[in-house]
Amino acid sequence: AQSVTQPDIHITVSEGASLELRCNYSYGATPYLFWYVQSPGQGLQLLLKYFSGDTLVQGIKGFEAEFKRSQSSFNLRKPSVHWSDAAEYFCAVGADGATNKLIFGTGTLLAVQP
Amino acid sequence: DGGITQSPKYLFRKEGQNVTLSCEQNLNHDAMYWYRQDPGQGLRLIYYSQIVNDFQKGDIAEGYSVSREKKESFPLTVTSAQKNPTAFYLCASSIIGVRTEAFFGQGTRLTVV
Repeated sequence: AQSVTQPDIHITVSEGASLELRCNYSYGATPYLFWYVQSPGQGLQLLLKYFSGDTLVQGIKGFEAEFKRSQSSFNLRKPSVHWSDAAEYFCAVGADGATNKLIFGTGTLLAVQP
Repeated sequence: DGGITQSPKYLFRKEGQNVTLSCEQNLNHDAMYWYRQDPGQGLRLIYYSQIVNDFQKGDIAEGYSVSREKKESFPLTVTSAQKNPTAFYLCASSIIGVRTEAFFGQGTRLTVV
């Protein structure tokens, strides 16, 4: 069965520091992968997605993610964090190409300190 | 602007009452989904629908019901059979048949007292 693991429940970084959020997935075929961001009390906004091709994908707000098949990982990175990046981040894998259901990780809550 | 509208944003109900959450989309998407979000558990799929008048159970359908009478609308009813209904509920939609992302509404926070 497909699954997504986000091993870090909570991360704190200093403003201006680099960021990497980890995501590992379990999927039998070629996965399609997403990172979403959620501000408190709000819906989810898509940051980036990977379907095929170049394993380094660029997203909005300066985020990027790298798909590593050998490690079953899709880690999210940002070279310099801004205070407005404080939010919860969810990694998701597409469970079925026809229906586009998503399986989500449990999320990583990012705090940014001055 | 196209998007997904969930209403109300906050909802309070007494235990034992059924309550219906609204979800409307004007993106012309065929598929719609309901997810439940609890702290530390991510999002879990309740129900989904790929076409009008048809829907399938997700991972945690017990105590919930849905309908899909119009392409644009996918209301969720939380029944009295749902043992722990207090949660944040998110509606989403997508096209089907090709790999693509889902678009989410702003959510409804349901509190049952």
